[in-house]
Amino acid sequence: NAGVTQTPKFQVLKTGQSMTLQCAQDMNHEYMSWYRQDPGMGLRLIHYSVGAGITDQGEVPNGYNVSRSTTEDFPLRLLSAAPSQTSVYFCASSGDGYNQPQHFGDGTRLSIL
Amino acid sequence: GNSVTQMEGPVTLSEEAFLTINCTYTATGYPSLFWYVQYPGEGLQLLLKATKADDKGSNKGFEATYRKETTSFHLEKGSVQVSDSAVYFCALTQGGSEKLVFGKGTKLTVNP
Repeated sequence: NAGVTQTPKFQVLKTGQSMTLQCAQDMNHEYMSWYRQDPGMGLRLIHYSVGAGITDQGEVPNGYNVSRSTTEDFPLRLLSAAPSQTSVYFCASSGDGYNQPQHFGDGTRLSIL
Repeated sequence: GNSVTQMEGPVTLSEEAFLTINCTYTATGYPSLFWYVQYPGEGLQLLLKATKADDKGSNKGFEATYRKETTSFHLEKGSVQVSDSAVYFCALTQGGSEKLVFGKGTKLTVNP
């Protein structure tokens, strides 16, 4: 079982470049989300989606865009990367029902120079 | 707003020692509480959860009890192993939302 797959695992960008972090899940989960993990900050919610065609902002959405055209995929876009976006990014998904556990990918480590 | 506060680490223990990682929360109403664990180089995994007051979550020898009177959900294990070395996150959700609010994490290192 693949679960939640994130690509790439590592990426280095220059300030101002754009890129898309990919996230795919094969569990038919409706809920998907993106977090960033920074030292001493825990995980903070960037954007989330409760189903295909529906997205909403989390705690730290500025500088990021998302879309959800299919149930399986939930890409995160950085339109103009900034050094403050250097972080480890995690995608997660969960199934329908109250208090379902969230399944996390292994993360994308992003450095912006 | 909702928030989670957990003890700062790092925590270093010897194998077979007793572990407590404190977690307290601020929330209106009745949140659901979780502990997630992150092993080196991996994503987070659900360790245990409790959805109402006085519930006890348990898994892999770890336990945590939902204490509404003290707004706490402390993680305990009676005898830690080297393989328990990881970062532990306390988290909550509320009001039927799937959105998790995390504490800052506590790094545990267990030495043989």
